[in-house]
Amino acid sequence: LAKTTQPISMDSYEGQEVNITCSHNNIATNDYITWYQQFPSQGPRFIIQGYKTKVTNEVASLFIPADRKSSTLSLPRVSLSDTAVYYCLVGGSYSGGGADGLTFGKGTHLIIQP
Amino acid sequence: NAGVTQTPKFRVLKTGQSMTLLCAQDMNHEYMYWYRQDPGMGLRLIHYSVGEGTTAKGEVPDGYNVSRLKKQNFLLGLESAAPSQTSVYFCASSYGDSFTEAFFGQGTRLTVV
Repeated sequence: LAKTTQPISMDSYEGQEVNITCSHNNIATNDYITWYQQFPSQGPRFIIQGYKTKVTNEVASLFIPADRKSSTLSLPRVSLSDTAVYYCLVGGSYSGGGADGLTFGKGTHLIIQP
Repeated sequence: NAGVTQTPKFRVLKTGQSMTLLCAQDMNHEYMYWYRQDPGMGLRLIHYSVGEGTTAKGEVPDGYNVSRLKKQNFLLGLESAAPSQTSVYFCASSYGDSFTEAFFGQGTRLTVV
């Protein structure tokens, strides 16, 4: 079971770029890296997913180094509305059995200040 | 498109009572999941299903049962509620395996007194 480690909390300011790093030292070959965002009193929302190198969508970028033992979620020009908890998940298809990668840790509480 | 709908949104139970939480999705997803979230904690997987008629245990299955009789519905049952089951319950569904995008419901806040 690939375990992830993220900072418990981070602070930043509006307009800044925020990078949240997740460590996953025992990631397996077929594991993907997925990030979710959760606002208070809401269910998590998918942000981005990647396997290696860099992935970018309209919301964020995900940087994955060659050894894949960590990943960095990058949020460009954050606003107050980006204040939320961000979860990093690591795992592969569980068609082979098990629920690896469906496990959410405690996440990173990102607080954006004016 | 309603997405993932959970019923009820709030409930208070007495210890020992039973209840069923209903999750319905209208996206024709194969995979469905039940999580619980406690204050200051992440989400913990209770049970999941990879298709109609199938269920599997997650990280914290004790005290819960599930059924997936129809593809669009995933039911979570508490046979004899305990105060330790006070939590917010989230249902989710996804089209493919665990690493396609999962869509979550708005949650059910359950209090067991």
